[in-house]
Amino acid sequence: EIVLTQSPGTLSLSPGERATLSCRASQSVSSSYLAWYQQKPGQAPRLLIYGASSRATGIPDRFSGSGSGTDFTLTISRLEPEDFAVYYCQQYGSSPLVTFGGGTKVEIK
Amino acid sequence: EVQLVESGGGLVKPGGSLRLSCAASGFTFSSYSMNWVRQAPGKGLEWVSSISSSSSYIYYADSVKGRFTISRDNAKNSLYLQMNSLRAEDTAVYYCAREPSYYDSSGSYYYYYGMDVWGQGTTVTVSS
Repeated sequence: EIVLTQSPGTLSLSPGERATLSCRASQSVSSSYLAWYQQKPGQAPRLLIYGASSRATGIPDRFSGSGSGTDFTLTISRLEPEDFAVYYCQQYGSSPLVTFGGGTKVEIK
Repeated sequence: EVQLVESGGGLVKPGGSLRLSCAASGFTFSSYSMNWVRQAPGKGLEWVSSISSSSSYIYYADSVKGRFTISRDNAKNSLYLQMNSLRAEDTAVYYCAREPSYYDSSGSYYYYYGMDVWGQGTTVTVSS
């Protein structure tokens, strides 16, 4: 069973700063099958990145994804006030079919 | 407007049953795989089940296998989740989500694009 471990659990940053979020898989994941989501309180998740590095429709270019194998990264180049939220990575294809990481909360410092 | 609207949640006793529905609009529902994803109070996201566009492929998380059944009616643009033998740990907000992915012409490679449209969720509470 594949496990996705996200770190840190909480990231305390100020608007304008750079955020770097990590997602580590217990087994190799095809980069084609790695996605990132943003979730704000009381809202449904929103797709940010698919294929490890492709931005979904309407996602600002301050969001970028990278990585391969077992290590993936979501970077927010300059935090805007609306970016403070919880972020999840997700893999498709390994057993179980879909797995989410535990999430990283980006909070205002 | 592309939209997914869940319904059917509520309070149910342990061992009871519920049927969730997800109504799709604004896109060709029959062309997309669909998923159910849940979120327990204060917790992260947990995938529950997936169904392919024609219902040919169905998958479940181990935590719900044998108790939950996913289905769809493409004529009604609707996705369903029949939940039986409910437990306290099934308490969560249940989301339906669209998956715009497909196999290539040879059927050997699956192009995956994540879950790009989500409903607002419906709350299921299992408690005596």
